[in-house]
Amino acid sequence: GAGVSQTPSNKVTEKGKYVELRCDPISGHTALYWYRQSLGQGPEFLIYFQGTGAADDSGLPNDRFFAVRPEGSVSTLKIQRTERGDSAVYLCASSRFGGDLQETQYFGPGTRLLVL
Amino acid sequence: KQEVTQIPAALSVPEGENLVLNCSFTDSAIYNLQWFRQDPGKGLTSLLLIQSSQREQTSGRLNASLDKSSGRSTLYIAASQPGDSATYLCAVRPDSWGKLQFGAGTQVVVTP
Repeated sequence: GAGVSQTPSNKVTEKGKYVELRCDPISGHTALYWYRQSLGQGPEFLIYFQGTGAADDSGLPNDRFFAVRPEGSVSTLKIQRTERGDSAVYLCASSRFGGDLQETQYFGPGTRLLVL
Repeated sequence: KQEVTQIPAALSVPEGENLVLNCSFTDSAIYNLQWFRQDPGKGLTSLLLIQSSQREQTSGRLNASLDKSSGRSTLYIAASQPGDSATYLCAVRPDSWGKLQFGAGTQVVVTP
């Protein structure tokens, strides 16, 4: 069965440019999460969607980062005016309900973003 | 503020030895704790999930314990194999919203 997919797998951009990263969750999963993983670190939470709405965006580092999930499935993470410090692997995960304490999150392979 | 720490950062063992990976967290008010495996260039794969009311979980050669009061979890991997080489991450769920807070991971190499 299809897992979580993310596109592109790699993205190289220049400082100051705008980028969009896409996540396709597992079909039927209502909860979707974005994390960012820097080299040698564990993933850091960015935002959590329950359906179409952002239930928790406390991890977004600043207003250059924005994410949407307009139809409750595919999500796009948008980064404006990219900075070199934004370079990282951006991971997306989904889970069936989100609020179920027994369920795990299924992760995609990530998008590796490099800002030159 | 919750902090999750994993020690050691890297570990190398010969095939057949048992692996012991440690995870500590500063705030015992967690909903659950999970152990993940990460292979280079790939996403995370969930290994075990322990609810806050549980003491341990087992799956095959893997056993994870949780001592919430002391803020510790240990992942045991019995009779290690080269295919166990990966980075192992622990994560706590600090609230009901579902987000996870991760440690930095332990990179494991099992030599044949």
